[in-house]
Amino acid sequence: GNSVTQMEGPVTLSEEAFLTINCTYTATGYPSLFWYVQYPGEGLQLLLKATKADDKGSNKGFEATYRKETTSFHLEKGSVQVSDSAVYFCALRGAAGNKLTFGGGTRVLVKP
Amino acid sequence: DGGITQSPKYLFRKEGQNVTLSCEQNLNHDAMYWYRQDPGQGLRLIYYSQIVNDFQKGDIAEGYSVSREKKESFPLTVTSAQKNPTAFYLCASSIGLADYEQYFGPGTRLTVT
Repeated sequence: GNSVTQMEGPVTLSEEAFLTINCTYTATGYPSLFWYVQYPGEGLQLLLKATKADDKGSNKGFEATYRKETTSFHLEKGSVQVSDSAVYFCALRGAAGNKLTFGGGTRVLVKP
Repeated sequence: DGGITQSPKYLFRKEGQNVTLSCEQNLNHDAMYWYRQDPGQGLRLIYYSQIVNDFQKGDIAEGYSVSREKKESFPLTVTSAQKNPTAFYLCASSIGLADYEQYFGPGTRLTVT
């Protein structure tokens, strides 16, 4: 079946540091890939997505590139802010297209 | 404003009681979903519904039940058969099942003692 593995947190950074959260997946066919963000006490919001190999999703300074050869979709941001403190989830939608499979989430804490 | 509402935000129940979590959306979406979130485990799908009067089990449906009598509403009942019901429950909706963005509600934290 489909699965998503992402690095365990928490990841603690200083403001303006570079952030990388690794995400790898297992899926048959050509899945769509997503990053969701969950701020404290809230539901999930879609951060970015990519639907085919070599696509780059970007939003709010975050980027992730769909790498089929390494089955990865790592999330990056060049200069984080305190407001980026949240839990980040990598997810995929398989070829059947009827549900999302989530990774375990990575908590990020940005200190001033 | 269009969106998904879940109520209440916090819910406390005694063991052995059934409890129903509310989920309402005014996005005119056909598909709705219930997820359970536990620390370090991401989200797991409980039930989903493609259309009114139709719903399907997800990966962890045991001990839960749902109904979809109206397009806007998808309540989840956590029954006494659910062995470990304390969790954060998230409802989501999308235009359809296939290849559409899911929009999430703010969640309900259920504590059973």
